Amino acid sequence: GENVEQHPSTLSVQEGDSAVIKCTYSDSASNYFPWYKQELGKRPQLIIDIRSNVGEKKDQRIAVTLNKTAKHFSLHITETQPEDSAVYFCAASSPWSTLTFGKGTMLLVSP
Amino acid sequence: GAGVSQSPSNKVTEKGKDVELRCDPISGHTALYWYRQSLGQGLEFLIYFQGNSAPDKSGLPSDRFSAERTGGSVSTLTIQRTQQEDSAVYLCASSLVSGISGANVLTFGAGSRLTVL
Repeated sequence: GENVEQHPSTLSVQEGDSAVIKCTYSDSASNYFPWYKQELGKRPQLIIDIRSNVGEKKDQRIAVTLNKTAKHFSLHITETQPEDSAVYFCAASSPWSTLTFGKGTMLLVSP
Repeated sequence: GAGVSQSPSNKVTEKGKDVELRCDPISGHTALYWYRQSLGQGLEFLIYFQGNSAPDKSGLPSDRFSAERTGGSVSTLTIQRTQQEDSAVYLCASSLVSGISGANVLTFGAGSRLTVL
């Protein structure tokens, strides 16, 4: 089955800095890669996703890149703000499998 | 409904008791998932229902855990003879599954926090 590794487990940045979270996956058939954000005490919510026919996708301050050859994908947050503080989960799935989540990254943005 | 509803939001029980957790998915969503999240931990997959297919039970940690989904809608997760290590937040999610594209956009419920004393 799929195995998703996520790094780092915690990330502390100053407000305004950029943050990068990286994930690797094992199943070359995986073709869908979402990112979920979970604020403290809240439910996980989808913030951005990318499919394998695209190398990069951007939505305002958030971008995701995908390298299929190396089987890794990354979340980039620019101009971080305190409200970006949360746990971020990456995930991967193939057309015939459910999502496999990484273990999460706790992002702390200090004012 | 407008979102995924879970009940109860909080459940405190004594070790050895059975508990039932309920999930009402978004209307029309054919896929339903249960995850477990222990304090400060990631999302542990438990079970997956897709339409009328046999559920994927590969994530259930022991035979004390079971789940059913009646009429392709509401699901109940049952934990028998609860243990202290069962204490966690149990999250339900639903999605429209597109088997060809493999896109599974999950909408999560608020979770049921289970505390086993």
